[in-house]
Amino acid sequence: ILNVEQSPQSLHVQEGDSTNFTCSFPSSNFYALHWYRWETAKSPEALFVMTLNGDEKKKGRISATLNTKEGYSYLYIKGSQPEDSATYLCASPKTSYDKVIFGPGTSLSVIP
Amino acid sequence: DSGVTQTPKHLITATGQRVTLRCSPRSGDLSVYWYQQSLDQGLQFLIQYYNGEERAKGNILERFSAQQFPDLHSELNLSSLELGDSALYFCASSVSDSPIDLNYGYTFGSGTRLTVV
Repeated sequence: ILNVEQSPQSLHVQEGDSTNFTCSFPSSNFYALHWYRWETAKSPEALFVMTLNGDEKKKGRISATLNTKEGYSYLYIKGSQPEDSATYLCASPKTSYDKVIFGPGTSLSVIP
Repeated sequence: DSGVTQTPKHLITATGQRVTLRCSPRSGDLSVYWYQQSLDQGLQFLIQYYNGEERAKGNILERFSAQQFPDLHSELNLSSLELGDSALYFCASSVSDSPIDLNYGYTFGSGTRLTVV
């Protein structure tokens, strides 16, 4: 069983604060790590796909890093805005040709 | 619009009934995935198809079945419905059947909210 864990479960920050949260996955047999943003009443939207140890990806104020040796990925949001309020999901597959298994998500609320 | 079309958006039906949820993948995508989100649960994988063939199965109930047609649209059939089947059902698609090859991850549809009464 592939366990993808995320922490914290929820987070409340003030507008303008920078924040980060963690995705943990088994470091053995790593293949890929996906990040998604899921806004309320909408569908999940892909942010990043990361495959190599040390990968860093950036999209606007959001960035992610990957450490496959220790089995974690960080998602950073710089200068949080209310529109960043969403649940952030990470997901990873068990094999190179398998569907991804989603973590439980981190719910972010940005207070204006 | 993500390019993945799911119909219907909402469905209310009685226990014991059968329903069909439909998904049209984004143009060019060959893989279709079905996920279920129940109350207070995360996204639970149900089943994956790639170019018409079943590729992977999750904890999908025997009362549930799916298929992908030659035009690549997929249908998820839920029968003998129970109250606990009430959930949001998402379809997602990707161009490849490998999660490594994807530059942008899965593309999700807007979901079908099923309410069993």
